[in-house]
Parts: sequence; C-alpha cells; structure tokens
Amino acid sequence: QQQVKQSPQSLIVQKGGISIINCAYENTAFDYFPWYQQFPGKGPALLIAIRPDVSEKKEGRFTISFNKSAKQFSLHIMDSQPGDSATYFCAARKDFNKFYFGSGTKLNVKP
Amino acid sequence: NAGVTQTPKFRILKIGQSMTLQCTQDMNHNYMYWYRQDPGMGLKLIYYSVGAGITDKGEVPNGYNVSRSTTEDFPLRLELAAPSQTSVYFCASTPLKLSNTEAFFGQGTRLTVV
Repeated sequence: QQQVKQSPQSLIVQKGGISIINCAYENTAFDYFPWYQQFPGKGPALLIAIRPDVSEKKEGRFTISFNKSAKQFSLHIMDSQPGDSATYFCAARKDFNKFYFGSGTKLNVKP
Repeated sequence: NAGVTQTPKFRILKIGQSMTLQCTQDMNHNYMYWYRQDPGMGLKLIYYSVGAGITDKGEVPNGYNVSRSTTEDFPLRLELAAPSQTSVYFCASTPLKLSNTEAFFGQGTRLTVV
C-alpha cells in the first residue's frame, strides 16, 4: 500500500510554463516532506523540503504548498526550463528518519 | 568528497545466484538505507540501519539480507536471485539530526536477473 500517493505520472510543459506535481498522504505521523529530483542514471537529490507547520516554502523557482488539513502537498516549478526535465519524487518521513516515497513524476519541459 | 558510493553499477545474475551490493559513505552518517526503484512504483525501502550493529526491515525485505559492522558500510545481500529482484537499487544515508534531514543517495546499481 502506497503511503504517499503522487500524481501525475508524467507531465509535459512548455518552456516558461508552470509545472505542478501533487502528493497526498494519510498518516498524520509524518513530520517532514521533502521533494527529490532525479536525472537519468543518477540517484535522487534533495530539491526542497517543508515541515507541516508551514503552508508554503519557496526556493528560487521551486515552491512547495502544504495543506495540513487536506493532507496534501504540491511542488510548483515556475518558469519551467528544459534543464528541469527529470523525475520528481515527493516523500514523507516518520519514525525518526524513515522516508516513504511517492511513485514519481516524469517531467518533460519542451523548448 | 565521495558521499555515498555503490558498486557495482550494473550486474546480470542468473536465477538462484547470489551477490552482494556494496555501499559505503564517508560522511559519518548514522542512518543508512537500501531502496529499490521499479518503474512507476517509486522507491521502496528494503532495509535500514540506525547505526553500526543495528538493522531493521523496511517495506519489502523478503529475499534480502543486510549487515552493518561499521558506520561507513552497509552491504545488501541477495541469496537466491529471482526475476522479481530485477530493479535499480539505491543506497542512501542521513545524519542523526532530525531537522531538515537530507538523504544522500548513491548512483544506483542496475540489477537484472535472468
């Protein structure tokens, strides 16, 4: 059973557009929500993260929106660039440092 | 700075063979993990360790074994390889601190069982 549900599975966005990836969870024990970016042939790397006591976090073109009551969080990539083309994973942490990952979203930004 | 190093990068095994995937980290991280990544399924936790001598099962431990004799090394053992174990395996580590924890991943081992 997937503890973190992620959608969409794939996403095509034009250069300069906004990419939006959504995640949902059920377990209220999760206390930390990171997003990871993975390029082909590489391991995932931390992109941005948020704690549940914050509703939004922005770092450059990347923003996490967090809705604690709805148990949902999303990644917004503003002014998407071809270099952003990668697979994105949301994750949630509980039990100290056990991370549960979503199924991934393959983003393709068209030039 | 090497970070998390996995070997080998690729391997083909025959059904029933055994092998060990190596993982070492040079960041003095307490926590280490093994994940498998299957298409459309994300990353599933196989085993994790909170320190030398301590290991525990994750979501999908069947068919695998681990050991943690040192802080640096966390090998993953496949005893009787099965086609269902065809996957990309990632080792990761995190420091002990709980706030703003970042998991550092290795580059992965692509394993095919035929």
